[in-house]
Amino acid sequence: AQSVTQLGSHVSVSEGALVLLRCNYSSSVPPYLFWYVQYPNQGLQLLLKYTTGATLVKGINGFEAEFKKSETSFHLTKPSAHMSDAAEYFCAVTSSGGSYIPTFGRGTSLIVHP
Amino acid sequence: DGGITQSPKYLFRKEGQNVTLSCEQNLNHDAMYWYRQDPGQGLRLIYYSQIVNDFQKGDIAEGYSVSREKKESFPLTVTSAQKNPTAFYLCASSLPSFGSGNTIYFGEGSWLTVV
Repeated sequence: AQSVTQLGSHVSVSEGALVLLRCNYSSSVPPYLFWYVQYPNQGLQLLLKYTTGATLVKGINGFEAEFKKSETSFHLTKPSAHMSDAAEYFCAVTSSGGSYIPTFGRGTSLIVHP
Repeated sequence: DGGITQSPKYLFRKEGQNVTLSCEQNLNHDAMYWYRQDPGQGLRLIYYSQIVNDFQKGDIAEGYSVSREKKESFPLTVTSAQKNPTAFYLCASSLPSFGSGNTIYFGEGSWLTVV
């Protein structure tokens, strides 16, 4: 079985501040981990993913995430928030050797203040 | 451009009526999915299909039906048995990864409202 927990349904930051969105996963086999972004009234767009290899993954729009097996975490960060980053962010997990159907977290809404 | 097309963007359903949401992809993906999105509940899987003429129930299949007669198409019917169908519906597709971490691609979504 696999699961994802996103801590905080809403995160509020000031423009230019660090963005940190938290994701913890549970998987009985090595996981594949994803972050997606959703703008209002649209579908989901892939930000980045971890499959194998380097644990620090860089994505689009200046976002990056680090896979930490010991902490079962895959937190998403961006050094400096921009107003255009305001959106819903979803963490998802699939598992090697298991179901390829991803399990999504409940999402975190990022609010950026001027 | 390759992608996933969902239609209509907005749909209204009367009580006791069946409605069908269309999903077409030209990415040559074998696997297709339907998710339902409600505020604060993330994405919940309704149905998925790995190949033509085969599909599997997801976590919340009751009150929904699908067909997969063509690789490119995976329509979702919301039946009158679905008592709370008002939601945002997302269609997606991917290569069937079977453990290789392939990306799932999403359409732009369809809003269904009961009136």
